[in-house]
Amino acid sequence: AQSVTQLDSQVPVFEEAPVELRCNYSSSVSVYLFWYVQYPNQGLQLLLKYLSGSTLVKGINGFEAEFNKSQTSFHLRKPSVHISDTAEYFCAVKVNGEETSYDKVIFGPGTSLSVIP
Amino acid sequence: DVKVTQSSRYLVKRTGEKVFLECVQDMDHENMFWYRQDPGLGLRLIYFSYDVKMKEKGDIPEGYSVSREKKERFSLILESASTNQTSMYLCASSSLHIDRPSSTDTQYFGPGTRLTVL
Repeated sequence: AQSVTQLDSQVPVFEEAPVELRCNYSSSVSVYLFWYVQYPNQGLQLLLKYLSGSTLVKGINGFEAEFNKSQTSFHLRKPSVHISDTAEYFCAVKVNGEETSYDKVIFGPGTSLSVIP
Repeated sequence: DVKVTQSSRYLVKRTGEKVFLECVQDMDHENMFWYRQDPGLGLRLIYFSYDVKMKEKGDIPEGYSVSREKKERFSLILESASTNQTSMYLCASSSLHIDRPSSTDTQYFGPGTRLTVL
């Protein structure tokens, strides 16, 4: 079964420092990849997504992610974080629904990013 | 501006009560979803619907049912609430991307309903 791993449950980082949030997935078929962010007391919103083409994807708020097929990874990066980036970040994978009638999106467990002033 | 709304932000119910969680989207999306979010587990799909009156079970449908009588509205029903259903419930919607039922592309989420069952 497909799965999404976010190894770091919590990542504290000082303001203006760079950050990388790691995401690995297990799938032998082609996938679409997403990063969502959840600010406190809010629903999730899309940061960026990879469907095809360039493996480096740029999203909102200065975030970017790189798809690495050989390592089945989709790590999220930002060169300089702000206090306002404090939030929960979810990596998600959509795989083709070979056994079902729909293309399922699988979410990782989330990484809590805390930006320290 | 796209919008997904959920009827309540916070809800407290007693064990055995019937609970209705309502979700409305104004984007004319075909697909709608109900997830529950628990610490360390991420989001788990309960049910989804790709059309009016159509529904499919997700990963954890036990103890839940859904209703989609109108395209814009997707309801989650807990027939007899139990304490292990205490959780954050998130509704989402997305557009149909290809010619088969699909939960592809961007999902738009509501703010969530935090349900506590005592």
